[in-house]
Amino acid sequence: DTEVTQTPKHLVMGMTNKKSLKCEQHMGHRAMYWYKQKAKKPPELMFVYSYEKLSINESVPSRFSPECPNSSLLNLHLHALQPEDSALYLCASSLNPAGPQPQHFGDGTRLSIL
Amino acid sequence: GQQLNQSPQSMFIQEGEDVSMNCTSSSIFNTWLWYKQEPGEGPVLLIALYKAGELTSNGRLTAQFGITRKDSFLNISASIPSDVGIYFCAGQRVNFGNEKLTFGTGTRLTIIP
Repeated sequence: DTEVTQTPKHLVMGMTNKKSLKCEQHMGHRAMYWYKQKAKKPPELMFVYSYEKLSINESVPSRFSPECPNSSLLNLHLHALQPEDSALYLCASSLNPAGPQPQHFGDGTRLSIL
Repeated sequence: GQQLNQSPQSMFIQEGEDVSMNCTSSSIFNTWLWYKQEPGEGPVLLIALYKAGELTSNGRLTAQFGITRKDSFLNISASIPSDVGIYFCAGQRVNFGNEKLTFGTGTRLTIIP
């Protein structure tokens, strides 16, 4: 069992819908990450939050909007997505943004865009 | 983005065999991580390496941080069916704040009964 919890596990949405992905960790980690993973490929970094502030945006389209309400929660708001956005969305966390501590991943949300 | 060269891309082995895979980079990293991912799940951390030359074991798994800091190796001894999955290496440069992971392309391990 992972200590990073992601909900929902699966999500199917139309291109005009608005939905949100949620991620939660209670390990006291102060860095949280969103990744996108296509089949048979490694995860690709989307966003990094450090001490609840957005520190890295890897040129992600604005139809993806991250939010970090507190140190335990990370959301990814989705709006007007495209079929090519269908993928596994992974959340990860690490203890200290400035240190070498490894990232721990959740099990992801499998997103399908109709 | 940049990816590390990971080989082999896939392996088909019999239960009980030993497995070796490696990752190489043109750049230096000061942390190497090895993850395993099974279908429907996220990557699970197997081993973390923090020093050049470091050799670390986790049960039947052994990983090494290359002396040049540009490569890392993972060995699995006496493979069992639950070893099936995709193995990713990841390198990290830790200077200050929010250091990104650079992932390898993955090694898919299949065990033939």
